[in-house]
Amino acid sequence: QKEVEQNSGPLSVPEGAIASLNCTYSDRGSQSFFWYRQYSGKSPELIMSIYSNGDKEDGRFTAQLNKASQYVSLLIRDSQPSDSATYLCAVASGGYNKLIFGAGTRLAVHP
Amino acid sequence: SQTIHQWPATLVQPVGSPLSLECTVEGTSNPNLYWYRQAAGRGLQLLFYSVGIGQISSEVPQNLSASRPQDRQFILSSKKLLLSDSGFYLCAWSVTTDTIYFGEGSWLTVV
Repeated sequence: QKEVEQNSGPLSVPEGAIASLNCTYSDRGSQSFFWYRQYSGKSPELIMSIYSNGDKEDGRFTAQLNKASQYVSLLIRDSQPSDSATYLCAVASGGYNKLIFGAGTRLAVHP
Repeated sequence: SQTIHQWPATLVQPVGSPLSLECTVEGTSNPNLYWYRQAAGRGLQLLFYSVGIGQISSEVPQNLSASRPQDRQFILSSKKLLLSDSGFYLCAWSVTTDTIYFGEGSWLTVV
């Protein structure tokens, strides 16, 4: 059973701080990795994708990938209360763009 | 640009009643289509995916079925709903990249 593991949280950070979200996966053959944000009661929206080892930055978001350790992370700099949501890690596995999702980490940014 | 529409947005159905959720994608051709379910407090579980008209693959055994009568139409059905079928149902699409995009979702409560 291919799995994606995330700490469920909640992760609480003060406004302006860096939030660090982590994810591990079991399928060593996975090549594509994604972070989605899901506000309560809404559908997930894509934040970032990453395919190569190292860091990928997009605005306040940085995704980090380490395939040897089977580890993906998302850093959110200058966290804002509007970043409060559940963050889902997803890993492409088995072809046809099928994604396996973690259960998500709930982030709370307090003023 | 591509858009995805999913309906109905919410529904409350009695146990044993039938179900039909519909999803259509606009602005693209021959997309891969997916149905995911998210139970309360849990991650997204892939139920079905389709790579073309009439081609349906089931990921988990369950009380549901899917059909793709047209290129950009995907339907999720059940003949007799169970309490355990309650959840947030999400239709999604992808094309050439691994990235999948979600519709607005349908909240199903079976009573």
